[in-house]
Amino acid sequence: QKEVEQNSGPLSVPEGAIASLNCTYSDRGSQSFFWYRQYSGKSPELIMSIYSNGDKEDGRFTAQLNKASQYVSLLIRDSQPSDSATYLCAVNVDSGYKLIFGSGTRLLVRP
Amino acid sequence: EAEVAQSPRYKITEKSQAVAFWCDPISGHATLYWYRQILGQGPELLVQFQDESVVDDSQLPKDRFSAERLKGVDSTLKIQPAELGDSAMYLCASSGTVTYGYTFGSGTRLTVV
Repeated sequence: QKEVEQNSGPLSVPEGAIASLNCTYSDRGSQSFFWYRQYSGKSPELIMSIYSNGDKEDGRFTAQLNKASQYVSLLIRDSQPSDSATYLCAVNVDSGYKLIFGSGTRLLVRP
Repeated sequence: EAEVAQSPRYKITEKSQAVAFWCDPISGHATLYWYRQILGQGPELLVQFQDESVVDDSQLPKDRFSAERLKGVDSTLKIQPAELGDSAMYLCASSGTVTYGYTFGSGTRLTVV
């Protein structure tokens, strides 16, 4: 069964620090990778996508992909209390027709 | 900004009753997904539509769940009869192409009592 694994956390970091969130996946055929942010009681919101090995930066967010190691990560620089949420890693499977999600990592940013 | 519309936002129902959720995807999005998210877990795909056709319903409990998208636009997910274990957030999402991820609606929080 194709899987996406994440550490459930919580990951606690002080305000202003770098938060590092990690994800591994099992399907070697996966080509598209996403990070969603989900606040408590709300629906997931797409914040980053990455398709090629290496880094992709968008503001305070950097996504990193290593297909050989089947590893995706999300770095949040200058973490803010408003970044406190659950971060879901999602990966396309079955020739790209659907996404499967990890169980999410809860991030707490302490003021 | 285009949105995926879902209703209701919250639903409380008694065990063994029927319940239905509605979703209207972003205009022009051919692919529509229903996911279920149990508290503390990631979203799990229940059913995927391409236009009006079901592409994947392998995880849909077909003895009690049904989904339709008759005209290839909006969609309804039904549970009959509801069980206590069905309490979860039901999320609808749509995409033009999954390569670019998809957009979720606000979800329906179902509580079965």
